[in-house]
Amino acid sequence: KAGVTQTPRYLIKTRGQQVTLSCSPISGHRSVSWYQQTPGQGLQFLFEYFSETQRNKGNFPGRFSGRQFSNSRSEMNVSTLELGDSALYLCASSFAQETQYFGPGTRLLVL
Amino acid sequence: AQTVTQSQPEMSVQEAETVTLSCTYDTSESNYYLFWYKQPPSRQMILVIRQEAYKQQNATENRFSVNFQKAAKSFSLKISDSQLGDTAMYFCAFMDGSSNTGKLIFGQGTTLQVKP
Repeated sequence: KAGVTQTPRYLIKTRGQQVTLSCSPISGHRSVSWYQQTPGQGLQFLFEYFSETQRNKGNFPGRFSGRQFSNSRSEMNVSTLELGDSALYLCASSFAQETQYFGPGTRLLVL
Repeated sequence: AQTVTQSQPEMSVQEAETVTLSCTYDTSESNYYLFWYKQPPSRQMILVIRQEAYKQQNATENRFSVNFQKAAKSFSLKISDSQLGDTAMYFCAFMDGSSNTGKLIFGQGTTLQVKP
């Protein structure tokens, strides 16, 4: 089976712009979780989707949003980008609830 | 609130030797899962090993094994016969198994360098 894929792998944006990141889970996995990784804050949970429904959300502002499609692919969107949004964004998929498999991540740089 | 603590920011070990990475966690739940993930310089997060809290037997995966002490809320990772490819940052993670949260709580990570 192919692993979790994320696109794009690298992205440079300027403050105030918005960005959309995509995640395709492992075939058969219906749960997709998103994380933000920064040197200062470490790995922080953004949200989780299962069967097109957001089941859980982390402590991030409303500028961070996501959705999941019927084929389990997921997107996350960040509007009005700030310098502090520069990070590695990781998505992970799971079949059974507890074991998550990660994609290679999207590195976002906000200038 | 559930927390995960890794008290060793950096560690090093000689190739072929054994090293143990420490992790403690705090939870009031009885149903949960614990994981170790490895993140090499490529930044790809790789699952190393998982442990179900209800299992008393420590999990093992080839050269990787854990020492799960439930009462002490401790979950250490032992790497035997260390290899250069084990050089990476290692994260301990917790998931509450009592609800469908899809949320992993990570420690701050331990950077492990394996020296030739």
